[in-house]
Amino acid sequence: AQSVAQPEDQVNVAEGNPLTVKCTYSVSGNPYLFWYVQYPNRGLQFLLKYITGDNLVKGSYGFEAEFNKSQTSFHLKKPSALVSDSALYFCAVSRRWGNNRLAFGKGNQVVVIP
Amino acid sequence: DGGITQSPKYLFRKEGQNVTLSCEQNLNHDAMYWYRQDPGQGLRLIYYSQIVNDFQKGDIAEGYSVSREKKESFPLTVTSAQKNPTAFYLCASTIEGQGYNEQFFGPGTRLTVL
Repeated sequence: AQSVAQPEDQVNVAEGNPLTVKCTYSVSGNPYLFWYVQYPNRGLQFLLKYITGDNLVKGSYGFEAEFNKSQTSFHLKKPSALVSDSALYFCAVSRRWGNNRLAFGKGNQVVVIP
Repeated sequence: DGGITQSPKYLFRKEGQNVTLSCEQNLNHDAMYWYRQDPGQGLRLIYYSQIVNDFQKGDIAEGYSVSREKKESFPLTVTSAQKNPTAFYLCASTIEGQGYNEQFFGPGTRLTVL
C-alpha cells in the first residue's frame, strides 16, 4: 500500500523568505503525487501534481514541487512566502494503474511570520 | 457554478443516533470519496464509489454506510456503531477513477457527538 511521510508538524518562515514543505512517499511502481492546501474549517484545494515528465512541477499561487525518484521525495517550495500562505499543507500519493485511492500525509502547518 | 456541496456545515448528534451527511456534485464526475479528518492524522478514506450503484470500503469503513443511487449524490451515514464519530468529514470527487486525476473537495461537515 502507498504511504506518505511529512516529517515536520509545523514550518515557520518569515514573510519574503523561501518556503519548503517536505514530503517523502512509498508506493509500488511509479507514483502520481499531489499537493493540497487547507485553510481553517475548509475543504482541500488542489495546488499541483506530478504525473510524468519534467521533475519540476509548477502550480497555483507561485508554488512548485520537485519530484526526486531516487530520494522518493516531492518537496513543495515557494521562493517568497506570503502571510496568506499560512495554512495546512497535505502531500498525497496514488499508484499508477490504481483506482485513484489517495494516501495522504498527516499535514504540515505552515506559519508565515510578518 | 460547478462544484461540490456538503450539508450541513455543522452537525450535532446524541450518542446512539444515526446521522446522514449530504454530498452533491454537479461536475459530472464519476468517482466520489468520503474522508475523515482528525487533528494530526491527515485524511483517512472511509468509502469510495467509482460508478453509480457501486462502492467500496476504504481504510476505516466500520460504523459507516453509503449509497450511490445517483451520479451526483453520495450520502454518508454515521451509525451508532461508530464509537468515536466526532471529526471533520470531507467529500471529494474526480472525473474518473484513475490515479492521475486530482480530487475536488467539498467544504466539509463538522460532526460533534454530545
